[in-house]
Amino acid sequence: RKEVEQDPGPFNVPEGATVAFNCTYSNSASQSFFWYRQDCRKEPKLLMSVYSSGNEDGRFTAQLNRASQYISLLIRDSKLSDSATYLCVVNRRNDKIIFGKGTRLHILP
Amino acid sequence: EPEVTQTPSHQVTQMGQEVILRCVPISNHLYFYWYRQILGQKVEFLVSFYNNEISEKSEIFDDQFSVERPDGSNFTLKIRSTKLEDSAMYFCASTEEVNNYGYTFGSGTRLTVV
Repeated sequence: RKEVEQDPGPFNVPEGATVAFNCTYSNSASQSFFWYRQDCRKEPKLLMSVYSSGNEDGRFTAQLNRASQYISLLIRDSKLSDSATYLCVVNRRNDKIIFGKGTRLHILP
Repeated sequence: EPEVTQTPSHQVTQMGQEVILRCVPISNHLYFYWYRQILGQKVEFLVSFYNNEISEKSEIFDDQFSVERPDGSNFTLKIRSTKLEDSAMYFCASTEEVNNYGYTFGSGTRLTVV
């Protein structure tokens, strides 16, 4: 089983819609969780950390379910500029971060 | 906003040649990393570096690879004898604390081995 798994998509979503991605991780010792965004041929950029209680940053909401070992990202009122690949990232304590392969999102005008 | 700087942005090299990829991490960060991404594939861990030594390395990081932080500023990745399959985007990253903060990535060096 892969350490971090994501649906590769693509998700084709009309502008203004709400879209959600899930990610599962295999290692129960994983400690920290993040969502990164990667535009085509660019570096990954941190979108938000994911906390146990769930957290929100503007139109973005991240949630963590430790029992089921999955992380979610919800994007509300999607914009054309949200088109990108969204990378689920986990790490164990004092360890490197591990990337999922990413979910591609296309926002359609 | 502080940045991780990588040079060059694109490097073309012949198979068997040595390449050095350079990175300047964010100045107050203590943990440094190299990742690579082959076109269309996921971002893969190569090596982590802390307190002037390698903390961890992946299976990809074989004897052909080495890292150095010679002057307390630059953080370099050397590939001694490049192979075609080394062609990828190489990202440097740094963080001030491992568990609580995400990493900041540089814009990458696209390495093309011909």
